[in-house]
Amino acid sequence: GAVVSQHPSRVICKSGTSVKIECRSLDFQATTMFWYRQFPKKSLMLMATSNEGSKATYEQGVEKDKFLINHASLTLSTLTVTSAHPEDSSFYICSASDGHRGITGELFFGEGSRLTVL
Amino acid sequence: TQLLEQSPQFLSIQEGENLTVYCNSSSVFSSLQWYRQEPGEGPVLLVTVVTGGEVKKLKRLTFQFGDARKDSSLHITAAQPGDTGLYLCAAFLQGGYTGANSKLTFGKGITLSVRP
Repeated sequence: GAVVSQHPSRVICKSGTSVKIECRSLDFQATTMFWYRQFPKKSLMLMATSNEGSKATYEQGVEKDKFLINHASLTLSTLTVTSAHPEDSSFYICSASDGHRGITGELFFGEGSRLTVL
Repeated sequence: TQLLEQSPQFLSIQEGENLTVYCNSSSVFSSLQWYRQEPGEGPVLLVTVVTGGEVKKLKRLTFQFGDARKDSSLHITAAQPGDTGLYLCAAFLQGGYTGANSKLTFGKGITLSVRP
C-alpha cells in the first residue's frame, strides 16, 4: 500500500510556542490530505481537509488561526499549532488520498505525531 | 449524535477466545471500512465492505456487512495478544466516496485487550 509519513513522531514544547508537523506522501501524489486529532482512547476527529494549492477547509469548531495548514505540494502538507497551550496536547494524524480509489475510497494514514505542551 | 456506534467500547479477553464486535448506524452506507490502530501509531485499513450481506475474511478476522448496509460486525476467532488494539469502523458520509475530498467519519472505536 501507499506510504504516508509524519514528522516528528513526538514533540514536546513550551506553552506559547508554535509547532510544525509535516505529512508526506512518499510514493504517490496526494491531491488531498486530512488532518485528524485524537485524544487518548478516543476516536479520530477530523480537523480539516487540505487541498494542494488552495486554502484548507476546517471543520466546525476548529480554529483556523490556531491550526495553520499549508499544502504547498502534492506530497507535503504541514500543520502548525500556533501559540500552543497544554490543552492542545494530543495525537495528530494525517491521511492522504490520490483520488483514484474507485467507489470505496482508501485513505492512507501517517504514523501520527504526539504533541505535548508543557 | 454519533453516526457510527461501536460496541462494546472495551473488551478484555483471554488468548484463544472468540469475540464479535459491532458497528451500527441508522444510516445506509455505500461502503464501510474497518481499521486497527495500535498505541502511538496511525490506523491501518483492515477491510472495506461494499455489498449488503458481504462477508470478508482476513485470516482469523471475519467481517460482515449488514444486508441493509447500515451495520457491520467483526468476528475474531482464537484471539491472540497481537490482536490487541483499537478497532475503528469508518464510512464516507453524504452519498459515499465521491472523490479525493470525501470525508471519512469514524466511530468511537473498540478497545480490545487480549491477555496471554
